[in-house]
Amino acid sequence: EAQVTQNPRYLITVTGKKLTVTCSQNMNHEYMSWYRQDPGLGLRQIYYSMNVEVTDKGDVPEGYKVSRKEKRNFPLILESPSPNQTSLYFCASSRWGYEQYFGPGTRLTVT
Amino acid sequence: KQEVTQIPAALSVPEGENLVLNCSFTDSAIYNLQWFRQDPGKGLTSLLLIQSSQREQTSGRLNASLDKSSGRSTLYIAASQPGDSATYLCAADYGQNFVFGPGTRLSVLP
Repeated sequence: EAQVTQNPRYLITVTGKKLTVTCSQNMNHEYMSWYRQDPGLGLRQIYYSMNVEVTDKGDVPEGYKVSRKEKRNFPLILESPSPNQTSLYFCASSRWGYEQYFGPGTRLTVT
Repeated sequence: KQEVTQIPAALSVPEGENLVLNCSFTDSAIYNLQWFRQDPGKGLTSLLLIQSSQREQTSGRLNASLDKSSGRSTLYIAASQPGDSATYLCAADYGQNFVFGPGTRLSVLP
């Protein structure tokens, strides 16, 4: 089954404790992206990757890091999480210029 | 700044009605426009994608149109059903940067 998976689905952590949210796709898509969704602000792009070893900033990259060492994986790293990073995070993938497929989301709470 | 807006913000209709959701984008230099559905607490499901060279796309009871020059797209839902209740989002693709609208929350009443 074609899908985008994210782990964990739910995470509660404390300020400053490094964490990684994993994202994996099995569709051999070149393009992958991370978004955060906040009430009243909608979905905003954090980082995206056009292919292996190629990443770039979206609209809200501050406080986040990504890497793309393999085509199927695109982890999101929060080196020192803060409460303003409490949000619902989505990973997505696509072939270039085609429809995006989204993961189920990761709900992160930083206390 | 590239912005996407959606009207109305919320809509409640009786079952069986035809309805139109609107999406507007400030920068017409899009590669494509995509419509999604999001159920509460869930991820996004792609409904339709319209390439910049196309005028419309259809899938079942859904029809989406695109007018790049005016910066508008509409999603038409025919014969609405309670199962159509969800939030509908449009997203403008500017190459690598995707800009989403805030969504239209649709309720279809039995």
